[in-house]
Amino acid sequence: GDSVTQMEGPVTLSEEAFLTINCTYTATGYPSLFWYVQYPGEGLQLLLKATKADDKGSNKGFEATYRKETTSFHLEKGSVQVSDSAVYFCALFSGGYNKLIFGAGTRLAVHP
Amino acid sequence: EAGVTQFPSHSVIEKGQTVTLRCDPISGHDNLYWYRRVMGKEIKFLLHFVKESKQDESGMPNNRFLAERTGGTYSTLKVQPAELEDSGVYFCASSQDGSIRRGYTFGSGTRLTVV
Repeated sequence: GDSVTQMEGPVTLSEEAFLTINCTYTATGYPSLFWYVQYPGEGLQLLLKATKADDKGSNKGFEATYRKETTSFHLEKGSVQVSDSAVYFCALFSGGYNKLIFGAGTRLAVHP
Repeated sequence: EAGVTQFPSHSVIEKGQTVTLRCDPISGHDNLYWYRRVMGKEIKFLLHFVKESKQDESGMPNNRFLAERTGGTYSTLKVQPAELEDSGVYFCASSQDGSIRRGYTFGSGTRLTVV
């Protein structure tokens, strides 16, 4: 079945460091891809999305490009802030199963 | 507009007890979903309501879990009797038409601890 694999955390960075969180997927067809974020004490929020190959999703300085050839959707940010500390989830929408399928989540901790 | 509301935010119960989680979706959203994250693993789909009907309950782990959505408004998820492996965070989400293009709005989750 469809699945999402993302790098294990926690990821610990200093403020202004470059961030990459890897995400790869397995799916039949052409899924839409998402990054969700959960800040402490809050719900899941959509961070960005891409619906077709080579699309780049971006929001709040974060970017991810839908790479069909490598079945990847890596999350990047050029300069992280303490306020970016959260758990990040990569997900795909499986049309065949009509549901969101999530990865295990990656905790990011950014220190001043 | 108000978001998706879940309560309680935290619940600690003993093994064998019963717990009921509640989700209030965004008003007018016919589609309601339950997901859960167990032991820091991936967030997994439990079930999907369209109004008061169960569209897909393929993710429900066993018959100790019962979800209802009477009247097509709020939903409850009852676990009876609770087991240790049921501990985790239970998320609810709603969407207007079920299309991922318009997105799902998630609640802040209920953290369930079974001791």
